[in-house]
This record gives sequence, structure tokens and C-alpha cells, in this order.
Amino acid sequence: DGGITQSPKYLFRKEGQNVTLSCEQNLNHDAMYWYRQDPGQGLRLIYYSQIVNDFQKGDIAEGYSVSREKKESFPLTVTSAQKNPTAFYLCASSRGRQGGSTGELFFGEGSRLTVL
Amino acid sequence: AQRVTQPEKLLSVFKGAPVELKCNYSYSGSPELFWYVQYSRQRLQLLLRHISRESIKGFTADLNKGETSFHLKKPFAQEEDSAMYYCALAREGAQKLVFGQGTRLTINP
Repeated sequence: DGGITQSPKYLFRKEGQNVTLSCEQNLNHDAMYWYRQDPGQGLRLIYYSQIVNDFQKGDIAEGYSVSREKKESFPLTVTSAQKNPTAFYLCASSRGRQGGSTGELFFGEGSRLTVL
Repeated sequence: AQRVTQPEKLLSVFKGAPVELKCNYSYSGSPELFWYVQYSRQRLQLLLRHISRESIKGFTADLNKGETSFHLKKPFAQEEDSAMYYCALAREGAQKLVFGQGTRLTINP
């Protein structure tokens, strides 16, 4: 079954702890993304990667880190430096630009992180 | 920087009535505009994009560069249209999307 898998779906963390959210895709997509979804604020881009071993900061990268060592994997670490980490996190992937157009994003089911 | 604004957080209409979800953007270049939709207990997914100029599930959206808008319309709403709708923009040559705040559409029977 092709698609994007995020894990865990729910995660609780104590203040001061780092936590890593997993995102795996078997769609053979080059580009991958992490968005944060908060009520009333829509989706905000944290980090994105257009190719293996390369990634760029999005609009709200502070307190987060990522790696892209494999094409199919793009884990997100929420560090203790993130001031307000409780949120719903969405991972997405796309083929990248095709025919001069931005590729469709395919989303995972999301991970809800709660900081206690 | 580019920005997408969806002025309505909540929108409620009756079944069979016309629907219009508003989207305005700020970007000086030639953007690509999209509508994404999230139905209850489903993943966020692409509904339509302006370059396709097609109707999906009865929805259409026209890019109005003069008014910097990309409103989503449907002449006769159906109950299954109830969902969260996000407008999104990609600036020319870019692969990342900027999303609006989202509008929750409820279709009343």
C-alpha cells in the first residue's frame, strides 16, 4: 500500500526532552515537507527537502531539526528549544516540479505531540 | 513574502445552496494557486489547482490576478462537501507551498 506513514500518531513529552517524529514514504518522491498545524493558523512550513542530503528551513524552523539521509525518510526532531511544541505535525511528499508546475503534495495522517 | 488569507474560519450553508470559500493572496509575481481539502477522518488532499482549469466534485476556482483572489465555488452544495478547506500558493519556480488559515465548511441538511 503506497503512501506516507507518520509515527507515532500520539506522543507525550516532558518539558526539556527532545522527541523525534518519523515520516516514511514509498512513493519514490524527491521532495518531502514538515508542516505544523495549529487551530486558526493553518499549516506552517517547518522544513522541506527537495533531494537527499539537502534541506531548507521553512517559516518556523526555530527549535526543530531534520535530516534526509535516505530518499524515503525525513524525520523531524522537536528540540527542547522549541517554545511551544504542542501541536499537530503533518509530513508530506511530492514528485517535485513537473512540466513547469508545482507538484501535488501527498500528506500523512499526522502526529499529535503534547508537552506535559 | 507571499501570504494567503482565508477570511472565514467557519462557513455554514444549507444543502443545495451556492457555496463560495474566499481566498486572497499577496505575491507580486505569477503564483500557482491550489485548494486542498480534508474530509473527516481523512488525509489532507489536493482538490484542484488553477492551471488545470477543471471542475472537481462540482467545485471551480478562477485565479483573478487583478483582485489577487482564488475563490472556490460550487453552485449547489452537498452534505458530503462538509470539510476543512485550505487555499495554498506556490511562487513561480518554487516547490514549497504557503497555506492559508483554512475554512471549515459545514453543509446543513
